[in-house]
Amino acid sequence: AQSVTQLDSQVPVFEEAPVELRCNYSSSVSVYLFWYVQYPNQGLQLLLKYLSGSTLVESINGFEAEFNKSQTSFHLRKPSVHISDTAEYFCAVKKSGGSNYKLTFGKGTLLTVNP
Amino acid sequence: AAGVIQSPRHLIKEKRETATLKCYPIPRHDTVYWYQQGPGQDPQFLISFYEKMQSDKGSIPDRFSAQQFSDYHSELNMSSLELGDSALYFCASSSRTITGELFFGEGSRLTVL
Repeated sequence: AQSVTQLDSQVPVFEEAPVELRCNYSSSVSVYLFWYVQYPNQGLQLLLKYLSGSTLVESINGFEAEFNKSQTSFHLRKPSVHISDTAEYFCAVKKSGGSNYKLTFGKGTLLTVNP
Repeated sequence: AAGVIQSPRHLIKEKRETATLKCYPIPRHDTVYWYQQGPGQDPQFLISFYEKMQSDKGSIPDRFSAQQFSDYHSELNMSSLELGDSALYFCASSSRTITGELFFGEGSRLTVL
């Protein structure tokens, strides 16, 4: 089975500051890794994913995450956050190789960007 | 582009009543997943269907059942509702041609009074 640990339940930052949301995973098999974002009263939107290849993946809105196999981590970073980045961020993992394997989510990190 | 459609978006029921949630996956997606997200909680996997057969089962109560129909839409049936069933229920779909990614619907918010 796979599991995900998000080390911070809440991260408050000021606008234009850098931010890192931490995610560690546990699995005995190869995995795919994801970050999903959930804005208040909305569904889950995929932010970025790591399947294979380059360990650094980027989203279109400035977030990036780096897969570190030795540390079993997939931390999410942004060099300068905006008020609109305020949301809940979920790290998720699924077994690789099968298209129908379920996602397992972490507990989530609430990012609050203050002016 | 078409997304995952869930209905109803909001549902209010009394204790011990029954509720049915529907999910219409993205066309040509072959797998449907159901998740339950309680207030302030992470989404918990309930059950999934691959090509209309149950493929995995998570923390779905015995009072709940689900199925996937020939047109690939899925329904989650919840009976003997309890206050603790109040949650946001997400449906997601995936396709073997798009590696790894699950596409989520906007969710159905169930309130049990």
